[in-house]
Amino acid sequence: AQRVTQPEKLLSVFKGAPVELKCNYSYSGSPELFWYVQYSRQRLQLLLRHISRESIKGFTADLNKGETSFHLKKPFAQEEDSAMYYCALRTGFQKLVFGTGTRLLVSP
Amino acid sequence: DAGVIQSPRHEVTEMGQEVTLRCKPISGHNSLFWYRQTMMRGLELLIYFNNNVPIDDSGMPEDRFSAKMPNASFSTLKIQPSEPRDSAVYFCASSLIPENYGYTFGSGTRLTVV
Repeated sequence: AQRVTQPEKLLSVFKGAPVELKCNYSYSGSPELFWYVQYSRQRLQLLLRHISRESIKGFTADLNKGETSFHLKKPFAQEEDSAMYYCALRTGFQKLVFGTGTRLLVSP
Repeated sequence: DAGVIQSPRHEVTEMGQEVTLRCKPISGHNSLFWYRQTMMRGLELLIYFNNNVPIDDSGMPEDRFSAKMPNASFSTLKIQPSEPRDSAVYFCASSLIPENYGYTFGSGTRLTVV
């Protein structure tokens, strides 16, 4: 079965601190992984795709097939990063399976 | 393109009433998805369409829920009769498959059933 696990419901850090949002997946096929961000009462927005290996707003994520992980990282958190972050797995049937999300709170 | 458009933004209804949520996907996208977001369960896929055909409706909670996509530019999600436990934010998303850009989400409809 396809599954995405985000173990932390809430991650609270101070501005300037490093951030790592954890994501683990379970999928027997070749995974496609994404990170979505949802700012307060706004729509979900695509943040990162693993295949593009890009850095968006200072965030990066590396797919580790051995550990079945796709953790989201940023070296120095900013207050405007405070949001809900969802890790998602696209399966062979082209549907996205989301984790339960992690709320990141960056305090001044 | 104005993105994925959902209406209404907010809906408050009484238990037992019929509720219809609407979605206009991005022009040219061939797939449309309905998700429900709650605090307890996060984002759950209810149903998705490809080329206007329902492909997977295994996430539809029960027979009270139904969805249609009569053409490439419009979809509805209907709940009849509505119950308080249906209160949630319902998101519609569209995508062009096969491709690797993920989905584009609408702003959602916040449904409250009292």
